[in-house]
Amino acid sequence: AQSVTQLGSHVSVSEGALVLLRCNYSSSVPPYLFWYVQYPNQGLQLLLKYTSAATLVKGINGFEAEFKKSETSFHLTKPSAHMSDAAEYFCAVSRYSSASKIIFGSGTRLSIRP
Amino acid sequence: EAGVVQSPRYKIIEKKQPVAFWCNPISGHNTLYWYLQNLGQGPELLIRYENEEAVDDSQLPKDRFSAERLKGVDSTLKIQPAELGDSAVYLCASSSNTGTDSNYGYTFGSGTRLTVV
Repeated sequence: AQSVTQLGSHVSVSEGALVLLRCNYSSSVPPYLFWYVQYPNQGLQLLLKYTSAATLVKGINGFEAEFKKSETSFHLTKPSAHMSDAAEYFCAVSRYSSASKIIFGSGTRLSIRP
Repeated sequence: EAGVVQSPRYKIIEKKQPVAFWCNPISGHNTLYWYLQNLGQGPELLIRYENEEAVDDSQLPKDRFSAERLKGVDSTLKIQPAELGDSAVYLCASSSNTGTDSNYGYTFGSGTRLTVV
């Protein structure tokens, strides 16, 4: 069985500060891992994905995540937060890279303070 | 490219009434998914189609929910009768399992927000 746990349902940072959103996964097989962002009243947009290539994955909007097998983690970071980063972020896991069920975490709401 | 198109965006109905949602996937995507997203939670898979065949509907409450994907393109999800607890966002997604796709190919629509009163 696969699952993801997102630590912290709400994270608030100041504009320009480091963003760190935590995600730990559980998987009996090598996982494919994803981060999605959801703006209010919109669908989910893929930020980045890990598919067993490089462990440091760079995504859109300046976000990146590092796959750490020893810690079963896939934390999302951004060096400098921008007001437009305020949204809901979901970590997700899948058995395959495509055409498969994706299992989502419960989400972390990111707020940015001026 | 229009992306995954869902309609309606919003729907308010009284309990015990029927409701239907429609999804048009990205052209050429043979796999289609319906997800349920409750407030403050991550999406959960309801049903997955490969072309016109439902290959995973284990999480679909079949007593009141039904879905179809005629001709392996558009899909509809129906609830009859709706209950108060069905208030949520219903997301459709599509993907392709052929060739390569630098963006993974798993694309979500904007969803239908259902309110049952």
